[in-house]
Amino acid sequence: DARVTQTPRHKVTEMGQEVTMRCQPILGHNTVFWYRQTMMQGLELLAYFRNRAPLDDSGMPKDRFSAEMPDATLATLKIQPSEPRDSAVYFCASGLPDSPYEQYFGPGTRLTVT
Amino acid sequence: AQTVTQSQPEMSVQEAETVTLSCTYDTSESDYYLFWYKQPPSRQMILVIRQEAYKQQNATENRFSVNFQKAAKSFSLKISDSQLGDAAMYFCASTGGATNKLIFGTGTLLAVQP
Repeated sequence: DARVTQTPRHKVTEMGQEVTMRCQPILGHNTVFWYRQTMMQGLELLAYFRNRAPLDDSGMPKDRFSAEMPDATLATLKIQPSEPRDSAVYFCASGLPDSPYEQYFGPGTRLTVT
Repeated sequence: AQTVTQSQPEMSVQEAETVTLSCTYDTSESDYYLFWYKQPPSRQMILVIRQEAYKQQNATENRFSVNFQKAAKSFSLKISDSQLGDAAMYFCASTGGATNKLIFGTGTLLAVQP
């Protein structure tokens, strides 16, 4: 049963610390999305990769957030320095090459910044 | 810009009964997809059903079906024979255009009464 995996599932950190979230897309998927879910903003796209190249990161605060795909099996989202307003659930989703409009979500990383 | 509106923050249904969740959307894309995602307390985003805009026939997946009214830009979800396990937050979403990013509604929290 192929699934998107995300680590860590939970992260509690202090303001100012670096946070790295990892995602392993489903094997064979060539699109990867990072979404953030908060009570105030709901679900919003942070970044989008196709074939490891970033195509859309307009939703991501550039001064502190960065997203990369070092290889086809790993996507990372980093926050440096973290702030309390970054507390949220961060989802990674991957998509099929022949069905770009269908996305499969990972279980999410719940981040709490104190 | 694409927008998705869910006007029902909460809904309740009796077990074995039928419930309809509403969703309207706005898009300038000619080719787009519509989705319903379920998010139980585990936070996992689960794809319930999807509809291609170019298809006139309403999508159906077991007890879940949609009423897609393209001219009215309406995309409602009908759950038949509701089960306790259907209790969750339901998000309507649309995607289209070059980036394929999902635009989510604010969600409808469905409670199923035994």
